[in-house]
Parts: sequence; C-alpha cells; structure tokens
Amino acid sequence: EVQLVESGGGLVQPGGSLRLSCAASGFTFSTYWMSWVRQAPGKGLEWLANIKPDGSEKDHVDSVKGRFTISRDNAKNSLHLQMNRLTAEDTALYYCARDGVPYGFDFWGQGTMVTVSS
Amino acid sequence: QSALTQPASVSGSPGQSITISCTGTTSDVGNYKLVSWYQQHPGQAPKLMIYEVTKRPSGVSNRFSGSKSGNTASLTISGLQAEDEADYYCCSHTTSSTYVFGIGTKVTVL
Repeated sequence: EVQLVESGGGLVQPGGSLRLSCAASGFTFSTYWMSWVRQAPGKGLEWLANIKPDGSEKDHVDSVKGRFTISRDNAKNSLHLQMNRLTAEDTALYYCARDGVPYGFDFWGQGTMVTVSS
Repeated sequence: QSALTQPASVSGSPGQSITISCTGTTSDVGNYKLVSWYQQHPGQAPKLMIYEVTKRPSGVSNRFSGSKSGNTASLTISGLQAEDEADYYCCSHTTSSTYVFGIGTKVTVL
C-alpha cells in the first residue's frame, strides 16, 4: 500500500525556517517524480515544486523560488522541503504527492500544517 | 503564473449531469493535453479523478469524464450522487515546466 507521511510542520515566526519531510513507503520511491503542494486555510491548492527520481532536476513555482528548496534522499525514501524567510502568506497545509501518472498526482499524504505567526 | 479559472460553485440534483469548466491560457491548458482533475472532501487529501484530460485512474467511477477544447478543459459528472459533493480542482502542466491549479469549484448535490 502506497503511503506518504509528512512531518516537520509547526508554528514558526516570520522570517524563520522549517524543513518538511515526507516518508514514502509501499512503492519504489527512487523511480518516481515527487511534488509538494500546499493549501492555505479555506483556500485552493497551490503546486510548489517537484523533483526528478534521481534528484538531478527540480522545478519551483515562482512565488517560492529562492526561498524554498525541494530535495530527496532515495536511500531513506524521503522527500524534503526546506523553507526559508517564511511569511504569514506561507501559512498552509503542506502535502507531498507522487507524480505517479503522466503529469498527475496519484497519491497524496495527509499533510503537515505550517503556521507562520509572531 | 495565475490560477486557472473555475466557477466557484456548481450544483445539481441526484441523477443529473453537471460540468465544471477550467479555463487557462496557451501557456498551460491550451498548450498540452496534460490536464488533471482532483476531488477533495472536507478534511481530506485531494484524490486524482482524471489525468491527461480524459483518462481515469483505476477505481474511479466512469461517471467522471474529462474533455478539452482550446484553452478550456471540462470535468463532467454524470448520474450525480450525494457522495460527489466535494471541491474539485483542475491542474495543468505549463510551458515553464511547472504546474498550476484551478481556483476550485464546490459541487453541491441538491
């Protein structure tokens, strides 16, 4: 059974940093593109970044480019999102998702909540 | 990259068909057959319903179908059921090698 479990969320002050993690199991993690998607409270979905199976290619949405960095550790079946210079607008539920079908996200975790507030 | 345009809400009675539109630009929806659709019930993670405009993942009811014309993609739910009441989001690959979601549509079963 495919499982994606996010962790690392919490309360952080504006300007602070957090590193989110996503533990993957039930599939061969090293062969799939992976993405991060977030959802602000009561709002829609926003794709943030994805990463190639071997980690050699990454793309980030313009709104987080230079502040957020996606990475992965295939030996540990884990996906990460380093988030720096956080603002209140980054308050959201952060999901990791498997890019398991052509240009679509077939499995999602339950999300980890990030709250940016003083 | 601006969010794709979807109607805020669509409603229908049980058994009816409804269609949700998703309008983008030539930089996303119009440039590829790479639109996907997601269903999200309150408090749950999104669920993939359609990918590559028309394809259904295994386990998704054939009451859900997708199409595209120009810069607008559509999701049709036929034989509307109470369990279909949820938020629906479209998503498209873009010419910048990123993805953009729609603003979301709340489907209400009357």
